Amino acid sequence: DSGVTQTPKHLITATGQRVTLRCSPRSGDLSVYWYQQSLDQGLQFLIQYYNGEERAKGNILERFSAQQFPDLHSELNLSSLELGDSALYFCASSYRQVNTGELFFGEGSRLTVL
Amino acid sequence: DQQVKQNSPSLSVQEGRISILNCDYTNSMFDYFLWYKKYPAEGPTFLISISSIKDKNEDGRFTVFLNKSAKHLSLHIVPSQPGDSAVYFCAASGSRSGYSTLTFGKGTMLLVSP
Repeated sequence: DSGVTQTPKHLITATGQRVTLRCSPRSGDLSVYWYQQSLDQGLQFLIQYYNGEERAKGNILERFSAQQFPDLHSELNLSSLELGDSALYFCASSYRQVNTGELFFGEGSRLTVL
Repeated sequence: DQQVKQNSPSLSVQEGRISILNCDYTNSMFDYFLWYKKYPAEGPTFLISISSIKDKNEDGRFTVFLNKSAKHLSLHIVPSQPGDSAVYFCAASGSRSGYSTLTFGKGTMLLVSP
């Protein structure tokens, strides 16, 4: 158990819909990262928040947005969903903003868009 | 364009033998490298890392070798055990991004048979 909690674990929805994925980081961790793993792909970095502020952005689509709340949990919002958005979405956390060490990953939220 | 490449999707090894997982990178700005292990239905977990100032780092049965001139790193597992069967991801980071993001390869599935 990494200490990172993601909900929901599974989600099935239709094209054009909007979903929200939630992540609670490890106790004490200030940084939250979102990664997307599509079929046969590695983990693609989407976005990082540190203590409530956006710190780094990767290949995140404009239809996607995220935020980190004062209690440090984070939400990833995916809108106008397309079939290609079907993927496993991982949240990870770490204590520091600049991290050369390990990230602690949650178990992921599997999104299926039909 | 993939900046971190794991060209072997899978590898099969017998228990007790050495497992060698390879990883190549193209971005010369990367100077910190990590290996993560992932079991089905779980998030990736950190295994071992190496900084570009070193060419070898060892932790128990796991050793990572870095060849900077070839932009190549490898993970050696000796001796391999059935519990090592998992997907192994190579990841890289760099000071240019403030080490805030990790770029992952697509992973290599290792199967260790008894």
